[in-house]
Amino acid sequence: EPEVTQTPSHQVTQMGQEVILRCVPISNHLYFYWYRQILGQKVEFLVSFYNNEISEKSEIFDDQFSVERPDGSNFTLKIRSTKLEDSAMYFCASTGTEAFFGQGTRLTVV
Amino acid sequence: KQEVTQIPAALSVPEGENLVLNCSFTDSAIYNLQWFRQDPGKGLTSLLLIQSSQREQTSGRLNASLDKSSGRSTLYIAASQPGDSATYLCAVRDTGFQKLVFGTGTRLLVSP
Repeated sequence: EPEVTQTPSHQVTQMGQEVILRCVPISNHLYFYWYRQILGQKVEFLVSFYNNEISEKSEIFDDQFSVERPDGSNFTLKIRSTKLEDSAMYFCASTGTEAFFGQGTRLTVV
Repeated sequence: KQEVTQIPAALSVPEGENLVLNCSFTDSAIYNLQWFRQDPGKGLTSLLLIQSSQREQTSGRLNASLDKSSGRSTLYIAASQPGDSATYLCAVRDTGFQKLVFGTGTRLLVSP
């Protein structure tokens, strides 16, 4: 069974700090994504990444956010100057035909 | 803009019942539809994928149908078990863009 791996599983950070969430997508997939889920709410799309560039981003994905694929395996989401409302579960996904999700990183901003 | 709705929002049934979860979407131009399971505080586990050209998919006690023209999908769970208790999410993937659009989910509780 193919697997998307995310680290860390939990992250607590102080407001205003920068965090980097990491993901290892499935190796032969071409599309990579970040989604987030605020507690009790829908899973929301943040950004998609294809061929080493952003292919689509949502209104949520403003200048505070950035994504990178620094090498052949990792895919990262950086959140600069975190705010309380950034507290959420962040999911990485990759797709061939089917979308596979990681177990998520629970980010708590205090 | 694609909107996905799931009803009911919550469902509580005794063990052994057959049940149906509903998903509707506003734009029928979809690439595929996936059903996911989410346990509390956990990630999303893919249950079934239906391509836009397909009418249904089956996996074990699960059967998902797709009526693209009416913008509906159903997830049928046969002989429910307490281990089926979770939130079930429906998500559609549009043809033009690759992202998934999620519904709000159905929270299922199966009691022994």
